[in-house]
Amino acid sequence: GAGVSQSPSNKVTEKGKDVELRCDPISGHTALYWYRQSLGQGLEFLIYFQGNSAPDKSGLPSDRFSAERTGGSVSTLTIQRTQQEDSAVYLCASSSFYRGAYEQYFGPGTRLTVT
Amino acid sequence: GEDVEQSLFLSVREGDSSVINCTYTDSSSTYLYWYKQEPGAGLQLLTYIFSNMDMKQDQRLTVLLNKKDKHLSLRIADTQTGDSAIYFCAVSLRGSQGNLIFGKGTKLSVKP
Repeated sequence: GAGVSQSPSNKVTEKGKDVELRCDPISGHTALYWYRQSLGQGLEFLIYFQGNSAPDKSGLPSDRFSAERTGGSVSTLTIQRTQQEDSAVYLCASSSFYRGAYEQYFGPGTRLTVT
Repeated sequence: GEDVEQSLFLSVREGDSSVINCTYTDSSSTYLYWYKQEPGAGLQLLTYIFSNMDMKQDQRLTVLLNKKDKHLSLRIADTQTGDSAIYFCAVSLRGSQGNLIFGKGTKLSVKP
């Protein structure tokens, strides 16, 4: 079946502009995660959605970052007033709960470059 | 907080076995995962192990867990050039909702 999809695949923006990144999870997965992958920092957890529960925002680096998940499916990560240090690959994952483990499946990512 | 460490590089010859190592600090880690990332691609879930297991084998992949030493390894038998990629170790903690803490990844290079 279809995997996790993300759009756009690449985004170049000027410092100070807002950007929106989109994630379409695997159908039927109730959990959705955003991570950021940058050189030297590895993969960092940003935010997590599970069903209708309040999201876990503990990984968001600043209040310029926010995310929504509409109808329990598609999610949008918004970065306001982008800075050069926001340049990274933003990865989305969705998961099913199987035998006690959250099997997370990742999308291809959106490469964000802030100039 | 939890810290996950991996060596950054590993180079092997085609046909040899590769062993990628990972250490973690939080003993409440429940599930431990291995992901593979090929250039320009997202992360592919390879395998995972529950913390009450010592070993898991899946075709050419063998995962070993030493809970006492907080050491996890991934062995790839008969390594092929197509195995060249970055391999990430990741752990989830008891009480978390599955958000993973990743190591920085080990770049595996397979020489013909």
